[in-house]
Amino acid sequence: ELKVEQNPLFLSMQEGKNYTIYCNYSTTSDRLYWYRQDPGKSLESLFVLLSNGAVKQEGRLMASLDTKARLSTLHITAAVHDLSATYFCAVDISPERGSQGNLIFGKGTKLSVKP
Amino acid sequence: GAVVSQHPSRVICKSGTSVKIECRSLDFQATTMFWYRQFPKQSLMLMATSNEGSKATYEQGVEKDKFLINHASLTLSTLTVTSAHPEDSSFYICSARRGPTGNTIYFGEGSWLTVV
Repeated sequence: ELKVEQNPLFLSMQEGKNYTIYCNYSTTSDRLYWYRQDPGKSLESLFVLLSNGAVKQEGRLMASLDTKARLSTLHITAAVHDLSATYFCAVDISPERGSQGNLIFGKGTKLSVKP
Repeated sequence: GAVVSQHPSRVICKSGTSVKIECRSLDFQATTMFWYRQFPKQSLMLMATSNEGSKATYEQGVEKDKFLINHASLTLSTLTVTSAHPEDSSFYICSARRGPTGNTIYFGEGSWLTVV
């Protein structure tokens, strides 16, 4: 059974601090996505990681992918209140399904950044 | 602007009735779209893969007769919740990949369904 495990599930940070969210998965996928969800809203695409060793950065967020360890990380640098949201990682299982875009999501990490 | 659009964004229906949710790709053709369900404070669960011109593929545990999916054109997939019950109340979200080799998967704005 495919598992996508995120931790922590809840994260309360102070502004200015750094932290990392971890995403472990059990399939052999080499394609992983990170999304942000604000309360009551749909998903906003943050990063698409397509190969082993991929690293992408946007502002205070940086994501990486290690397909051998089946691990992706989302690192937050000098957090600000605007980053408060729920962050999901999702593994692309399309190759297994012969389709294009089947995603299995982690449970999400609810981030709260406090002044 | 939105790349994948859903309608309606919110719908309230009576128990036992059916409700249809539309998912459109706005400026690209999508031979495959995906439907997810998200209960409050939970993650997204893949319900089914909508295939243009053929039957949808449902995930294990999802009732195909209850959640009818029609992908009649390259830009439109519909999800019909039949004989809805309060436990079907949820946030339904569709997604599509932009092109067969596109790397980004876009999500619609989501549809809040409340069954009373």
